[in-house]
Order: sequence, then C-alpha cells, then structure tokens
Amino acid sequence: NAGVTQTPKFRILKIGQSMTLQCAQDMNHNYMYWYRQDPGMGLKLIYYSVGAGITDKGEVPNGYNVSRSTTEDFPLRLELAAPSQTSVYFCASTSTGTGIQPQHFGDGTRLSIL
Amino acid sequence: TQLLEQSPQFLSIQEGENLTVYCNSSSVFSSLQWYRQEPGEGPVLLVTVVTGGEVKKLKRLTFQFGDARKDSSLHITAAQPGDTGLYLCAVVAGGTSYGKLTFGQGTILTVHP
Repeated sequence: NAGVTQTPKFRILKIGQSMTLQCAQDMNHNYMYWYRQDPGMGLKLIYYSVGAGITDKGEVPNGYNVSRSTTEDFPLRLELAAPSQTSVYFCASTSTGTGIQPQHFGDGTRLSIL
Repeated sequence: TQLLEQSPQFLSIQEGENLTVYCNSSSVFSSLQWYRQEPGEGPVLLVTVVTGGEVKKLKRLTFQFGDARKDSSLHITAAQPGDTGLYLCAVVAGGTSYGKLTFGQGTILTVHP
C-alpha cells in the first residue's frame, strides 16, 4: 500500500551543489506533479507530467529540471542549489486531469540550502 | 494577488468550539477541493465539491460550495484536538489544466484540549 514514495526525507546542501529528489508511485497514474511548500504557505507547482516522456513547467520552475522516463518515476533535479530553494518538496499523482479525483501526495523532502 | 484567498490564516480554539474557514476568489471554478495536512506529512484530500450550492458532510465537517462557484467554506462542529492541522483549499484553474492545482495559503488550526 505504498502510494507515492519520496526520498530522501531530509537533506542539507551547500550553495552550488546539485541533487535529485526521487518520487515513485505504484498506482499507475499518468499525471504527476512536483510542488514546493514554504513555511506556513500553500503549495506552488514546480513541474508536472501527463505521461511518460511528457513534462511541462508549472508556476515556479526556475532552478529545477524533471524527467519522466517511466509511468512510475518522476525525479526532480536541482542544479546549483540556492538558499531560495530551501523548502519542503512534495510529489503527487492522480488518475485524471479533471481536478475531481484526489491528488495523492508523498510525505515530502525537507531540503535546506546553507 | 492570490487566486484563492483563505481566511483566517491562523485559528486557535478550545476543544468543543465550532469554527468556519473560508476560501474566496473572484474567478469561477468547475470544482474545488479541500485538503488537510498534518505536520511532517503530505496533504490528504477531504472532499471535492463540483456543483454550485452543494453541501457535503464528513462526520463533524461540513463543506459548502458557493452558488456562483467562486467560494467555499469548511465548518467544523465541536472541534477536537485531532482536527489540528493545516487546511488547504485548491482548484484546477484555466482551460486545459491537466489537473494542475492552485492552492490557497492555508489555515493553520490548533485545537487545545
């Protein structure tokens, strides 16, 4: 009963380092999303994907990249980490793009850039 | 300007009290979702409302979608400490949106025993 699995749960990076946040779902969902959540705030969309091989930018894509080689996996890449990217990152998936079905979220990756 | 304005931003109440959280916009939506998020976890869907004027109940939680489908409210009756969390409203905005959610800023609810 895994749902959406995110790794790692916590990470501290130095300015200028790079890393990949992993996201995997076992529900065979075509739609997947990456959001970031700053303290006391709602979530903002970074990138999304409507199926393997198809990705597009969300509201706040600068400094990030994604790929979607399989239905299950949707990794988020940070290049040249900056303090402004300190946040909690959530991956989500859903079965349709209508906004009626629930989005299933992972438990997040807490990232600090120092 | 936020697409969705949630109020209040913070709510601290005693167990047994009632409360209402609001989610307002100047735009019309085909549907609206409410999520609840506990510390250290991702949001979990509570309800989806799709029809103007619709009222849905989930135990002590009552959700209403405005007649014009521009706003929504969440009412909790006899709040309990287990209701503590961040409550978020969210919509799919725009035409071909591919399920991309736009969230309100959230309401942080603390229920004291």
